[in-house]
Amino acid sequence: ETGVTQSPTHLIKTRGQQVTLRCSSQSGHNTVSWYQQALGQGPQFIFQYYREEENGRGNFPPRFSGLQFPNYSSELNVNALELDDSALYLCASRPTGTRSYEQYFGPGTRLTVT
Amino acid sequence: DQQVKQNSPSLSVQEGRISILNCDYTNSMFDYFLWYKKYPAEGPTFLISISSIKDKNEDGRFTVFLNKSAKHLSLHIVPSQPGDSAVYFCAASSLMAAAGNKLTFGGGTRVLVKP
Repeated sequence: ETGVTQSPTHLIKTRGQQVTLRCSSQSGHNTVSWYQQALGQGPQFIFQYYREEENGRGNFPPRFSGLQFPNYSSELNVNALELDDSALYLCASRPTGTRSYEQYFGPGTRLTVT
Repeated sequence: DQQVKQNSPSLSVQEGRISILNCDYTNSMFDYFLWYKKYPAEGPTFLISISSIKDKNEDGRFTVFLNKSAKHLSLHIVPSQPGDSAVYFCAASSLMAAAGNKLTFGGGTRVLVKP
């Protein structure tokens, strides 16, 4: 039990639509990252937020955006969905002030784009 | 360009024996390495990590070895148990990266421990 929750569990959308995925992390976890895991692959870094500001981004287009809120919740928004966006989306949080790099992952949201 | 690679997509081992999972990386800036375990329908769970200043870290049945000159790390599980059956991901991070917490993952190795 990592204390990181995500909603919804599963989602089906149509190409061209927009989607919002949500994550809630533990109190004190000021850093949240989002990852995309395509079938049969490892998770790929989308972006990271620290104290409500984006402070790192992977190789994903601007139609992937995010928000982080003061209550340790965050959102991943994807506009103009494409078929290749079908994947498991993972949220991960990390406590502030630790010397380790461990991140704690939620169970993920499975997005299917048809 | 895949900076972290796990060349064995699957591994089958008998209960009680040793499981050895391998991982190679190409980016010299990586200074921290982690192993995660993932069960179906769950998120990855942190297992064990190692800093680049060390060459071995042990936690119970799990030991991670790091060979910096070869840019290679391995995870040993001894003894293997049926509950260890899962997908294992190797991940790497760099303190110097703009996103210091960004994890770069390998493709995973599916481990099956047979009773």
